[in-house]
Amino acid sequence: AQKVTQAQTEISVVEKEDVTLDCVYETRDTTYYLFWYKQPPSGELVFLIRRNSFDEQNEISGRYSWNFQKSTSSFNFTITASQVVDSAVYFCALSEHFASSASKIIFGSGTRLSIRP
Amino acid sequence: DTGVSQDPRHKITKRGQNVTFRCDPISEHNRLYWYRQTLGQGPEFLTYFQNEAQLEKSRLLSDRFSAERPKGSFSTLEIQRTEQGDSAMYLCASSLGSNTQYFGPGTRLTVL
Repeated sequence: AQKVTQAQTEISVVEKEDVTLDCVYETRDTTYYLFWYKQPPSGELVFLIRRNSFDEQNEISGRYSWNFQKSTSSFNFTITASQVVDSAVYFCALSEHFASSASKIIFGSGTRLSIRP
Repeated sequence: DTGVSQDPRHKITKRGQNVTFRCDPISEHNRLYWYRQTLGQGPEFLTYFQNEAQLEKSRLLSDRFSAERPKGSFSTLEIQRTEQGDSAMYLCASSLGSNTQYFGPGTRLTVL
C-alpha cells in the first residue's frame, strides 16, 4: 500500500540553525512523484517541490534543499539558516495513480516546525 | 494569476443540517480534487473530476456526501445530515492534466 511516514511530529530550533525534515515512503508504482507542501498557521497548503521518481538529483532552491534517495525510499527536506517565517507544518507526499491516468496525493501526517527567535 | 478559491472559509452548523461548499479552480485547470483534513493529520483524498466527469471517489465519501462540477469549471461539495465527525478542513485542489495540484485555502467546517 502507498504510505508516507514522517516520524518527526514536532521540531523546534533556534533561528539560523539548519533543520532537516525526514520523509520515508512506500509505493508499488514504478513511476511516481514525491512532493513537499508547507501549511502555515493560515491553513493554506503551499506547494514547495515535486520530484519525479526517475530524477534522483538533489535540488536546491535558496535556503531549501531536498535529498531524494530511491535506495532508501527517502525524500528529506533541509532548511538552511532557518527563519521565524519558516514556522509551519510541513507535509511530505506521494502520488498514487488511478486507472484513469490521473493521480491522488497521499500525505504524511506532517512535521510541525517551530523556529524560535 | 488567480489561485484556487474556496467559499465559505468557515462554516459552523448544527448536527443534521446540510452544508454546501464551493471551489473555483485555477482557470485553465481541467482537473479538480477534494480532500479532507482533520486536526493533526495530513489531507486525505475524497474525489476527483476531469472536466465535468467525476472519475474517482474515495471510500471516505459516504452516501451523505455529493460533489458536482456541472460545467467543468467550479465545483460544489454537499454534505447532508451533518455529523460531528464531519468536522474538518475541506480542501480543494486543481491541476492542468497530470501536473502539480495546487490547493485552495480550505473551508473549515464545525458541526455542533
